[in-house]
Amino acid sequence: EVQLVESGGGLVKPGGSLRLSCAASGFTFSSYSMNWVRQAPGKGLEWVSSISSSSSYIYYADSVKGRFTISRDNAKNSLYLQMNSLRAEDTAVYYCARDSVVPAAMGEGYYYYYMDVWGKGTTVTVSS
Amino acid sequence: DIQMTQSPSSLSASVGDRVTITCRASQSISSYLNWYQQKPGKAPKLLIYAASSLQSGVPSRFSGSGSGTDFTLTISSLQPEDFATYYCQQSYSTRMYTFGQGTKLEIK
Repeated sequence: EVQLVESGGGLVKPGGSLRLSCAASGFTFSSYSMNWVRQAPGKGLEWVSSISSSSSYIYYADSVKGRFTISRDNAKNSLYLQMNSLRAEDTAVYYCARDSVVPAAMGEGYYYYYMDVWGKGTTVTVSS
Repeated sequence: DIQMTQSPSSLSASVGDRVTITCRASQSISSYLNWYQQKPGKAPKLLIYAASSLQSGVPSRFSGSGSGTDFTLTISSLQPEDFATYYCQQSYSTRMYTFGQGTKLEIK
């Protein structure tokens, strides 16, 4: 069964740090780009960060750039999010999600990307 | 950054109704548009990718259309299990994915 399981969430004080993990199983983890997406209480979905299959390409939302670091260990089938300088507005459920691709109609080298497998999420609360 | 705007933000409908949700991008995104369904306390679920391709296992009452800046998600005949929040998401800019603000579909 294809599965993603997040862990590492918890209560942390403003300015503190936390490291989230996402364990993948049931698919060839090293072949897929991965994402972190978060959802603040009562709010919509916010993409946080992406990492390519070999870690060559890494992207962040402006809201977390310089504070969060995404990484992966393909040998351990694991994705990570190191979160530093945490703020109250980082309080959210954090999901890891797999990025799948299919060739696009416009020709060679073009691909459609979509997040087709999601974990159940881990909750991060930043409060004093 | 590409902004995604959904309308309406909320919608009341009855079982059996045909429902349409709209998503507009701030610039052309070709067909790089995905739709997700989220139920309370659950992770999002992919429904439609590449604007109109139905994800495996998703009922055929769900369909997507559009290209460029304007997209729609249509549910042809609402079922009780369809009451949820729906999000569009652009994948045109792989450096920064963005979601719409969501459309909450409620029972009338």
